[in-house]
Amino acid sequence: QKEVEQNSGPLSVPEGAIASLNCTYSDRGSQSFFWYRQYSGKSPELIMFIYSNGDKEDGRFTAQLNKASQYVSLLIRDSQPSDSATYLCAVNRANFGNEKLTFGTGTRLTIIP
Amino acid sequence: EPEVTQTPSHQVTQMGQEVILRCVPISNHLYFYWYRQILGQKVEFLVSFYNNEISEKSEIFDDQFSVERPDGSNFTLKIRSTKLEDSAMYFCAIKSRGTSYGYTFGSGTRLTVV
Repeated sequence: QKEVEQNSGPLSVPEGAIASLNCTYSDRGSQSFFWYRQYSGKSPELIMFIYSNGDKEDGRFTAQLNKASQYVSLLIRDSQPSDSATYLCAVNRANFGNEKLTFGTGTRLTIIP
Repeated sequence: EPEVTQTPSHQVTQMGQEVILRCVPISNHLYFYWYRQILGQKVEFLVSFYNNEISEKSEIFDDQFSVERPDGSNFTLKIRSTKLEDSAMYFCAIKSRGTSYGYTFGSGTRLTVV
């Protein structure tokens, strides 16, 4: 069983619509959860983190966490062409401090103008 | 967010050669990490470094790998005898003192072993 699973995509979403990205994880001891954006050939860029069940909003982005279902999602509202990238879900088992991240393979998102 | 510069941006090396990848973060960081990403694959943890020593390493980080912070500023990853399968993007990452969750990745070094 993969530790962090994501649909590889590609996921195509019209400009202005909501993009929904999903992630499941296997380790129930995971403490914190991250969404990174990665443009082709570039390094991952942190978009959001979440560690409590429920929703967390930051601008156009909303992260959702359900620890009982071992499920994390990222919603992108009012999608823009610049949001086209690969979105990486990552989980951390350690407590706050020395974080060691386990990444999923990423979902490639394409925003269609 | 602070910039984390990695050098070189691209290195081509012959199999069996030693390579040193460098990461230059701004000072006052607490935790340092190396990750790698083989083309088309996921980002994988290699090693974490705290208080000038390794705090955790993965199965990938075998005896061919070592890390150092030689001058208190640079953070290096050395691969002693490169193999073809070491070809990947290598990212360092830093975590600042007093910040919240998550850390900043460096710009990356593309290592090609031929």
